[in-house]
Order: sequence, then C-alpha cells, then structure tokens
Amino acid sequence: EAGVAQSPRYKIIEKRQSVAFWCNPISGHATLYWYQQILGQGPKLLIQFQNNGVVDDSQLPKDRFSAERLKGVDSTLKIQPAKLEDSAVYLCASSLDLASGNTIYFGEGSWLTVV
Amino acid sequence: AQSVTQLDSHVSVSEGTPVLLRCNYSSSYSPSLFWYVQHPNKGLQLLLKYTSAATLVKGINGFEAEFKKSETSFHLTKPSAHMSDAAEYFCVVRENSGYSTLTFGKGTMLLVSP
Repeated sequence: EAGVAQSPRYKIIEKRQSVAFWCNPISGHATLYWYQQILGQGPKLLIQFQNNGVVDDSQLPKDRFSAERLKGVDSTLKIQPAKLEDSAVYLCASSLDLASGNTIYFGEGSWLTVV
Repeated sequence: AQSVTQLDSHVSVSEGTPVLLRCNYSSSYSPSLFWYVQHPNKGLQLLLKYTSAATLVKGINGFEAEFKKSETSFHLTKPSAHMSDAAEYFCVVRENSGYSTLTFGKGTMLLVSP
C-alpha cells in the first residue's frame, strides 16, 4: 500500500517569496492533516480536512498560510509571503476518518528553509 | 484540553540495555495514546497505540507501553536496545470526544552507544 506522498522534499527560498507544498494521502483516507515541525519541537497542527471541508484551522496563520483540498483527495499548502520563522518541516498526514482511535499516517515531510 | 509531557529531552543507553522513555498526559476525556518514532530526515512512524483496550500495548521492533490511568502515564519500554533504535520518539495524545486532534510531546532523543 502506498503511503502519504509529499513534494517537494526540500525547498530553499528567500523571505517574502512564496512556496507551495503538495500532499497525496493514502487512498481512501477521508481525513488529511498538515503539521508544522520546527527543529527541536514536536509537530504542531496547522489545518485538518475531512474530505474537502476544513475541520480545524485554528492554528493556521491565515495572513500568510493557506491550504486547500478541493476534490477531497490531494491537498496544497501555500505560504506567501514567507518569513524566516517559517523554516520548518511541513508534514502531511492522513487517516481513515475522524475517529480518535484511527492511526494517523505521516509522509516524509517537506523541508523548508527561508533565508 | 489535552497535553503531553515527555520527561526527558535526551536518553542515552548502551546497546543491549533496557530503554525507558517517560510520558505523562493530561486529558479531559478518556484518551487514545500513541508513540511515534522519527529517524533523521524521515517521516513519523507509528510504534504503538492505546485505544482503551488492553493497558499493556505491544508495538513494532520490540517496543511496548503500559497505560496507567492512576498515574496518567504511558511510558515506552524495550528490554534490549539496538543501534538502529537511535531516533527521536514522540508521545502523542488524542481525546476520545467527537473529533479531536493529536497533541504531540516535545520529543525524546534516544542515543544508543556500542
């Protein structure tokens, strides 16, 4: 079974530029998550989708971050304009549905460096 | 509200000796608890999970964890460390109330020496 796919794996941009990350969840998984992991910290949820609807985006910095999952399958996370503090790994994850006991599967992450 | 505290930022063991990574949680509802491992430049891999069934949970690669409600703990153990166990380990809580998100601890880096 294919896992969660993310691209690009690595990206270096200058501050104030924009960047987009793509995620394809495991087939059949209704719930998709974007997490931000800053070096030395645990992942922090940015946004959670159920199919094509947003369930939780309370911690998404909406002045610069946006995410969509238009057809309820793959998703894009965009940052515009980027700041130095956005340097982090952006992890996409998916689960079968919202049930709390379901395993959440993570992709390998997209590493962003803002210079 | 839910939270997780991993009591050690780093744990060092010798190969072949036991591993103990400590985790305490706080949750307003009965929780699901998970341990994930992250090897360098890799994504997060699930080691094991507790979802209100047996309190002693066995995971992959010889790891296990015991859910202790009275102590609000979910410590991760392994009888004998291997060099390949060197990685960062995250304890994670998720409340069993409607939907809820994962809350991660800050992680424990496990160092294994020969």
